[in-house]
Amino acid sequence: AQSVTQPDIHITVSEGASLELRCNYSYGATPYLFWYVQSPGQGLQLLLKYFSGDTLVQGIKGFEAEFKRSQSSFNLRKPSVHWSDAAEYFCAVGAGYNQGGKLIFGQGTELSVKP
Amino acid sequence: EAQVTQNPRYLITVTGKKLTVTCSQNMNHEYMSWYRQDPGLGLRQIYYSMNVEVTDKGDVPEGYKVSRKEKRNFPLILESPSPNQTSLYFCASRGIQQGFEQYFGPGTRLTVT
Repeated sequence: AQSVTQPDIHITVSEGASLELRCNYSYGATPYLFWYVQSPGQGLQLLLKYFSGDTLVQGIKGFEAEFKRSQSSFNLRKPSVHWSDAAEYFCAVGAGYNQGGKLIFGQGTELSVKP
Repeated sequence: EAQVTQNPRYLITVTGKKLTVTCSQNMNHEYMSWYRQDPGLGLRQIYYSMNVEVTDKGDVPEGYKVSRKEKRNFPLILESPSPNQTSLYFCASRGIQQGFEQYFGPGTRLTVT
C-alpha cells in the first residue's frame, strides 16, 4: 500500500540556518510527489511538485526538493530559513486515479524558527 | 480568481445535530475530494467525486455523506455528528489535465461537543 513517512514530528532551527525536512514514500510506480505548507490557522499551500524529469525541483519561497528513487525519498530543503517559514509541512504522494487521484499525506513536520 | 471556497470556516455543534459544510470551486474541475486533518495523522481522504452524480468512499468515510448535483459544488454532510468527528476539514478539486495536483480550500474547523 502507498504510504508517506515524515520521520520528524517537530524541528527547530535558527533563523538564517539551513533546513532539510525528510520525506520517505512507498509507491510501486513512478510517484507524483508534493510538498505543502500550512501556516498557523491557514489552509494548504503548494510549495513544489515532482512528476518527472529533473530530480531537483525548485519551488516557491526559496524551497527546493530532491527526488531520489533509490532511497524512496523526496526531502525538502532551504538554504536560509526566515522566521516566516515557521509552519507545518506536509509531504504527499499521488495515489491511484481510480480513487479520484487522491493524495496520501505524511504525518506532517512542524517547523519552529528561533530568532 | 481561481479558488475553492468552504463554509463555514468554523463550527461548534453538539452531538447528533445534522450539519452541512459547503464546498464550491470556480475552475470547472471534474474531481473533488474531502479530507480531514488530525494531529499526527496528516490528511486523510473521506469521499471523492469524479464528476456530477459520481461519488465514492475514500479512506475514512464512516459518519459522512456527500452529494454532487452540480459540477462546482460538493457538500459534506454529517447526519449525526459525534465528538470523534472533531477535526479540520479540507475540500479539494483538480482538473483532468492536472495529474494529481489539487487545489485546496481554506479549511473548516469543526468541534462536536
